Amino acid sequence: GAVVSQHPSRVICKSGTSVKIECRSLDFQATTMFWYRQFPKQSLMLMATSNEGSKATYEQGVEKDKFLINHASLTLSTLTVTSAHPEDSSFYICSARDQMGGGYGYTFGSGTRLTVV
Amino acid sequence: KQEVTQIPAALSVPEGENLVLNCSFTDSAIYNLQWFRQDPGKGLTSLLLIQSSQREQTSGRLNASLDKSSGRSTLYIAASQPGDSATYLCAVGRGNTPLVFGKGTRLSVIA
Repeated sequence: GAVVSQHPSRVICKSGTSVKIECRSLDFQATTMFWYRQFPKQSLMLMATSNEGSKATYEQGVEKDKFLINHASLTLSTLTVTSAHPEDSSFYICSARDQMGGGYGYTFGSGTRLTVV
Repeated sequence: KQEVTQIPAALSVPEGENLVLNCSFTDSAIYNLQWFRQDPGKGLTSLLLIQSSQREQTSGRLNASLDKSSGRSTLYIAASQPGDSATYLCAVGRGNTPLVFGKGTRLSVIA
């Protein structure tokens, strides 16, 4: 089945630094990937839609200059948290759908636990 | 705007019990509904996907039903085991738009 690989799984960074999270579709091409954020005991909230070769679409309330998304190829999307602050500490997870694979379900990465100290 | 509600928010059962998790959604114009499992600090594992034209899907001890007209889905877990302890998330989708998630049901199966 479709596999999405996400790295790193866990990162601790100092306040003010930037962190890059990678999301790769391993066995299919993903023209669109979605980035979610999940706070403790809360559900997944969509942050942005990443489109290959074009600008990402951000949800209301999500700062596009803070959460930089790059989708440079059909198999890779990156989320960079710039000038991270403790309130950015959260669980970030990406997803994609193998539109050519015959199924219609979404596959999710394993998530990245970001802690900003 | 689509809203997904899951009841109960938390559930604790003894091992061996059959149980039902409920999911409801406000906009019935969906293409599919997907049930996921999430272990603490981990990503999502897809359990079952139901297309809008289908009424149920089964995988092992899991059975998910969909009543699109009433905006409801249930996930039935038979003969629960401690290893089933996790958060179960229901999400609905429409074409290439992102999934909309419920807040999940935290299940604890006690040995």
